[in-house]
Amino acid sequence: AQSVSQHNHHVILSEAASLELGCNYSYGGTVNLFWYVQYPGQHLQLLLKYFSGDPLVKGIKGFEAEFIKSKFSFNLRKPSVQWSDTAEYFCAVNAPGTYKYIFGTGTRLKVLA
Amino acid sequence: NAGVTQTPKFQVLKTGQSMTLQCAQDMNHNSMYWYRQDPGMGLRLIYYSASEGTTDKGEVPNGYNVSRLNKREFSLRLESAAPSQTSVYFCASSEAGDFYGYTFGSGTRLTVV
Repeated sequence: AQSVSQHNHHVILSEAASLELGCNYSYGGTVNLFWYVQYPGQHLQLLLKYFSGDPLVKGIKGFEAEFIKSKFSFNLRKPSVQWSDTAEYFCAVNAPGTYKYIFGTGTRLKVLA
Repeated sequence: NAGVTQTPKFQVLKTGQSMTLQCAQDMNHNSMYWYRQDPGMGLRLIYYSASEGTTDKGEVPNGYNVSRLNKREFSLRLESAAPSQTSVYFCASSEAGDFYGYTFGSGTRLTVV
């Protein structure tokens, strides 16, 4: 069965620090990969997605993620975080041809001003 | 604004009461989904509808029923609410095809006492 692991449940950073959030998935075949962000009190919004091509994907607000197939990983990065990046981040995986997405348990990021 | 609209935003129920959560999208998406979000557990799929006229169970369907009323609307019904169903419920929609990602509604915060 597919699964998604986000090992960092809570991360606290100061503004301007670099960010890397881990995401590992378990699935033997081709996958589509996503990162969603949920700002306090809001619904989930798509940050970026990967389904083929360049494994380094750039998303909104300066976020990027790198797909490393050999490690089954899709880590999210940002060189310099801002206070406004305080949110919960969810990694999700979907197998092509299916309608279901599997979400990780989320990483709660707090950025200190 | 185009998107996914959920009603109500907040609801308190007594154990054993029933209610229906409404969801409508105006993006002409084929697929619609209901998730529940619980602390430390991420998002779990309750039911989904790949296209108008079809519905399928997700990870946690027990205690819920759904109706895909038409292409726009997908409702979730709790027949006899239980405290374990206290959660935040999100409706989402997507294009047919698996790599577009979801558009989420703003959520319904349900408390069962």
